Amino acid sequence: AQTVTQSQPEMSVQEAETVTLSCTYDTSENNYYLFWYKQPPSRQMILVIRQEAYKQQNATENRFSVNFQKAAKSFSLKISDSQLGDTAMYFCAFMRQGAQKLVFGQGTRLTINP
Amino acid sequence: DAGVIQSPRHEVTEMGQEVTLRCKPISGHNSLFWYRQTMMRGLELLIYFNNNVPIDDSGMPEDRFSAKMPNASFSTLKIQPSEPRDSAVYFCASSSINYYEQYFGPGTRLTVT
Repeated sequence: AQTVTQSQPEMSVQEAETVTLSCTYDTSENNYYLFWYKQPPSRQMILVIRQEAYKQQNATENRFSVNFQKAAKSFSLKISDSQLGDTAMYFCAFMRQGAQKLVFGQGTRLTINP
Repeated sequence: DAGVIQSPRHEVTEMGQEVTLRCKPISGHNSLFWYRQTMMRGLELLIYFNNNVPIDDSGMPEDRFSAKMPNASFSTLKIQPSEPRDSAVYFCASSSINYYEQYFGPGTRLTVT
């Protein structure tokens, strides 16, 4: 079974700083997808960024980018120029290709301070 | 598009009562997922449907839980009888079968006293 581990329960940075959230996963699969979801206090789950395992290029979405290390089974999220609105729980998730089932990590609570 | 719609947003009920949570997926999506979020267990998949047919219900905790999808635009998750340990946030999500991104609804916060 696949597992996803987020080793940082909480993080806190100042507005405009860059922050990196860590995620590692365990799988024997070669084809899969990785995701970062954001859950603000409103509790809505919002897809931030996705990465296909077959792509070597790291995904980017505006201020959000990932560092995907397939051999190390690592998938970190970098938030540049952090904003107050980035304050949220962030969940890393794994999906085996063709499986449709998302497996989530335990989450990292990120606080952006003014 | 209105996104995934869930109702109610909050539900407070007494132990032993029946609870029904409702979900309307995004129009055109043919896969629907029910997740539960708790502090102890995090986010876990309960059941999912493709084209209204249940595909994997291995996450459903016990027989007190049941889910149906009578048509492409509506699904229910029912708990009967409810217990305090069922208190959680229940999310519905939808996607297209041939595409892997899942879009979540706002969730239903269930409190069983």
